[in-house]
Amino acid sequence: ILNVEQSPQSLHVQEGDSTNFTCSFPSSNFYALHWYRWETAKSPEALFVMTLNGDEKKKGRISATLNTKEGYSYLYIKGSQPEDSATYLCAFRGGSNYKLTFGKGTLLTVNP
Amino acid sequence: NAGVTQTPKFRILKIGQSMTLQCTQDMNHNYMYWYRQDPGMGLKLIYYSVGAGITDKGEVPNGYNVSRSTTEDFPLRLELAAPSQTSVYFCASSYPGENTEAFFGQGTRLTVV
Repeated sequence: ILNVEQSPQSLHVQEGDSTNFTCSFPSSNFYALHWYRWETAKSPEALFVMTLNGDEKKKGRISATLNTKEGYSYLYIKGSQPEDSATYLCAFRGGSNYKLTFGKGTLLTVNP
Repeated sequence: NAGVTQTPKFRILKIGQSMTLQCTQDMNHNYMYWYRQDPGMGLKLIYYSVGAGITDKGEVPNGYNVSRSTTEDFPLRLELAAPSQTSVYFCASSYPGENTEAFFGQGTRLTVV
């Protein structure tokens, strides 16, 4: 069973704060690392798919970095807004199979 | 554009009953997945398929069966429902390839009483 860990488990920030969370995954046999945003009562939606060591991706105020050699990825949110409140999931795909293994997620609450 | 469609959205089953959760996608994706989501546990992979006629077990396959007779459909069968199968079930699909994201259905909330 692959170990995909996310921290922190939950986070409360004030509107306007910048924040970041971590996903750690196996450093061997890497294929891709996904980030998803999951709002309550909806289904997860993809933010980023990252494949190369050193990758940095950005979408608006959200960005992510990838270190495949040490097995971690960071997700950053700049100037958090209440609408950013959601669970952020990362998912790891290894090179030899087609499974997408998810972490337990980080629940972000942004207070106005 | 329908994407990934799951039915039903909600269901209550009695212990020992059986049912099929339906999942269909109209994006011609090869890969399809079934996950269950339990509080505090994230998404656990039940079964997955890389194409019509091919299925494989995920982390938590016991008590479930799947089939993939067409590219579009990937039904999940519960033969003898147990309270431990109370969960929210998500179906997802994707193209092959390293840069491809997964698309999720809206989920099925199942309660076994």
